Amino acid sequence: SQKIEQNSEALNIQEGKTATLTCNYTNYSPAYLQWYRQDPGRGPVFLLLIRENEKEKRKERLKVTFDTTLKQSLFHITASQPADSATYLCALDEMDDDKIIFGKGTRLHILP
Amino acid sequence: DGGITQSPKYLFRKEGQNVTLSCEQNLNHDAMYWYRQDPGQGLRLIYYSQIVNDFQKGDIAEGYSVSREKKESFPLTVTSAQKNPTAFYLCASRGSRSGELFFGEGSRLTVL
Repeated sequence: SQKIEQNSEALNIQEGKTATLTCNYTNYSPAYLQWYRQDPGRGPVFLLLIRENEKEKRKERLKVTFDTTLKQSLFHITASQPADSATYLCALDEMDDDKIIFGKGTRLHILP
Repeated sequence: DGGITQSPKYLFRKEGQNVTLSCEQNLNHDAMYWYRQDPGQGLRLIYYSQIVNDFQKGDIAEGYSVSREKKESFPLTVTSAQKNPTAFYLCASRGSRSGELFFGEGSRLTVL
């Protein structure tokens, strides 16, 4: 069966360090992989999208990698700040239709 | 301002009652989505629609129904057949196959 797994439910990182979150998938052939940020009680907000033929994408302090051989994406936040504390969700977009499936998310806590 | 509007933000319902959640977008997007989120969980896809007058079941469609009579609107009905309807419901839209999802602020349904 199809599955998306994000490496941990919660992650504590010291302020200023790099936070790395993992998204693994099985039995998918995604055209795109997306990362979203969700604050408590709010709708998710889009951060980055990476295509299957791209290895890496950057936006300010954010970096996403996509390895279709390993079936894995890594999401990095460099020089982390307490304001980066939130839940981060990865989402897969299947090749043959508009169906978009989410992982369970990782709650990131940046400790001052 | 362009965006997605969900209403009501909070809703209480007695067991055995149907309830309809509203989702309206003025982004001129073709695709719209409904997700359900339970505490500490990711988003699970209920229904999605790629075009007016057409929609597809997601992973947890049982006990829910939708309609897509207008491009701007994608209402979700939670029927009495849904065994555990208390949850946070999120509506989203997307403008293109390679685009990101834009989410509303969510509707929190509590069954008493």
